[in-house]
Amino acid sequence: SAVISQKPSRDICQRGTSLTIQCQVDSQVTMMFWYRQQPGQSLTLIATANQGSEATYESGFVIDKFPISRPNLTFSTLTVSNMSPEDSSIYLCSVKGQGAWETQYFGPGTRLLVL
Amino acid sequence: AQTVTQSQPEMSVQEAETVTLSCTYDTSESNYYLFWYKQPPSRQMILVIRQEAYKQQNATENRFSVNFQKAAKSFSLKISDSQLGDTAMYFCAFMKRSGAQKLVFGQGTRLTINP
Repeated sequence: SAVISQKPSRDICQRGTSLTIQCQVDSQVTMMFWYRQQPGQSLTLIATANQGSEATYESGFVIDKFPISRPNLTFSTLTVSNMSPEDSSIYLCSVKGQGAWETQYFGPGTRLLVL
Repeated sequence: AQTVTQSQPEMSVQEAETVTLSCTYDTSESNYYLFWYKQPPSRQMILVIRQEAYKQQNATENRFSVNFQKAAKSFSLKISDSQLGDTAMYFCAFMKRSGAQKLVFGQGTRLTINP
């Protein structure tokens, strides 16, 4: 499996501000995803980060609120914009290879608290 | 759309006992993958075991095994000789084999192993 890192690991932010979360993989991967885990809840997919094109967002998530970049096959960023306390969650990136590696592996997550 | 249901919000067993976590899912797909992920208090999502739907043989990984019943759309996880380190949230997840390969998660089961 790949080694996945996320920065920052945690942050406390003021409402109305924005935070950019980075996800770095130690090998090239075909697909990268961003998930949100609200307190006490399961994981929900925000979007699929597509290399070289716009991200594909799930219902209920929009680009203006969660802009995503993926400049190459090993790196992606998720920005949480104009934050409110409801955005307090753990944000996780995951990666998936191809062929026999049809499995998603997760980064350590970014714990965000919005005051 | 796919749905995943975990009907046991919490479970608790004694160390060294065997425990089975239940998961059912609903899909019209014929080719897909099923996963069990573990999330300890550190919040890292860790892959426990994976099952390919086209394989009839149940997957096993050391003390972890699954009972995959495709017709019943059931995918339970058995943990043998449970250890204190198995204490965690366990999530069942579904992924299509083609197209939008996002993970769809169940609500999770909180498993506590008591000494």
